[in-house]
Amino acid sequence: SQTIHQWPATLVQPVGSPLSLECTVEGTSNPNLYWYRQAAGRGLQLLFYSVGIGQISSEVPQNLSASRPQDRQFILSSKKLLLSDSGFYLCAWRSLGTEQFFGPGTRLTVL
Amino acid sequence: AQSVTQLDSHVSVSEGTPVLLRCNYSSSYSPSLFWYVQHPNKGLQLLLKYTSAATLVKGINGFEAEFKKSETSFHLTKPSAHMSDAAEYFCVVGPFTDKLIFGTGTRLQVFP
Repeated sequence: SQTIHQWPATLVQPVGSPLSLECTVEGTSNPNLYWYRQAAGRGLQLLFYSVGIGQISSEVPQNLSASRPQDRQFILSSKKLLLSDSGFYLCAWRSLGTEQFFGPGTRLTVL
Repeated sequence: AQSVTQLDSHVSVSEGTPVLLRCNYSSSYSPSLFWYVQHPNKGLQLLLKYTSAATLVKGINGFEAEFKKSETSFHLTKPSAHMSDAAEYFCVVGPFTDKLIFGTGTRLQVFP
């Protein structure tokens, strides 16, 4: 069966520090991968998606970036965090079906 | 244009009473429709999906939803609420160029 992992589960970072969030999927090959952010009191915002290794589409221009160095690994990064980057970050994958499957999320607090 | 509207931001029910969470969608073609549930500080879990087969879709935990094309609706129901159903529920439509469109969510409270 397929499993999706995200780490860390929680993170507290100062403004201006770098960020690296990791997402890995097991049990499937060549999935589409997605990064979402959920800010407090707001819905899900699609940040990036990838249909293959090294292929990244950005939905929202901001100080975040994404990379897909391996088939089942998706990384969200920032060189300098802003207060507005605080939120709940969710990774998701999709394979043959239309539905997406979500990871457990990372709670990021920028102070 | 494609969109999804969840008609209630909050719904409160007593344990053992029926649940109705309302969702309307707009799409230029027949989309797939989904309901996801999110418990606090957790990821989203797929409850059920509609993909142009049976219009009444049964999901996990006793939930079901009915696709009504004439009303462009996909309301989520459950005959009897349980305390563990308290969570946020998202109605979702798609995919459109491989992306899903999420509603703003409905927070379900269940009182004993």
